[in-house]
Amino acid sequence: EPEVTQTPSHQVTQMGQEVILRCVPISNHLYFYWYRQILGQKVEFLVSFYNNEISEKSEIFDDQFSVERPDGSNFTLKIRSTKLEDSAMYFCASSDDRGAPRAFFGQGTRLTVV
Amino acid sequence: AQSVTQLGSHVSVSEGALVLLRCNYSSSVPPYLFWYVQYPNQGLQLLLKYTTGATLVKGINGFEAEFKKSETSFHLTKPSAHMSDAAEYFCAVSAYNAGNMLTFGGGTRLMVKP
Repeated sequence: EPEVTQTPSHQVTQMGQEVILRCVPISNHLYFYWYRQILGQKVEFLVSFYNNEISEKSEIFDDQFSVERPDGSNFTLKIRSTKLEDSAMYFCASSDDRGAPRAFFGQGTRLTVV
Repeated sequence: AQSVTQLGSHVSVSEGALVLLRCNYSSSVPPYLFWYVQYPNQGLQLLLKYTTGATLVKGINGFEAEFKKSETSFHLTKPSAHMSDAAEYFCAVSAYNAGNMLTFGGGTRLMVKP
């Protein structure tokens, strides 16, 4: 079965540093998403991306965050200057259609900001 | 706007007993409803989903859920718990006209006692 792949599985970074979380969506998918889950809290929507632009974003997705599809296979989430409260599990998802029923999630990247 | 409430952050059952995980949602438009499972150190795996049609939905690993519009509920059940069912379960909702943005509940950790 096709799957969404995220790297790294765990990243530790110092506060104020930039991090890039990487995702390889399923190859024929066109819609891409990032969610995050702070430890002990709900999974929260961050951003959706289609046709090389952001289609929806939440209040969490402020100027510190950016997304990019730098090539035909990768989808990245950049946090410019990490804060302690950015520590969370970040999930990438992709879909072949603009419909939640067909979204597939990756295994997640656990980001720890120290 | 949508919201999801999962009653009980922790549920403990004996192996072989009925599993019932509760989910109530709020949505101003017809919802799509989902249950995801997260095993330790793994990503989100779709258990089942309701979009349209039959209100009783069967998923993987013997789980099923019933959409009850009058009760705004989408409870997850399994007739007989297995040790391997121990995991965190998330209910999620998406509006049919709002792309893939999922709104998750707080999660329920299922523990299965031998």
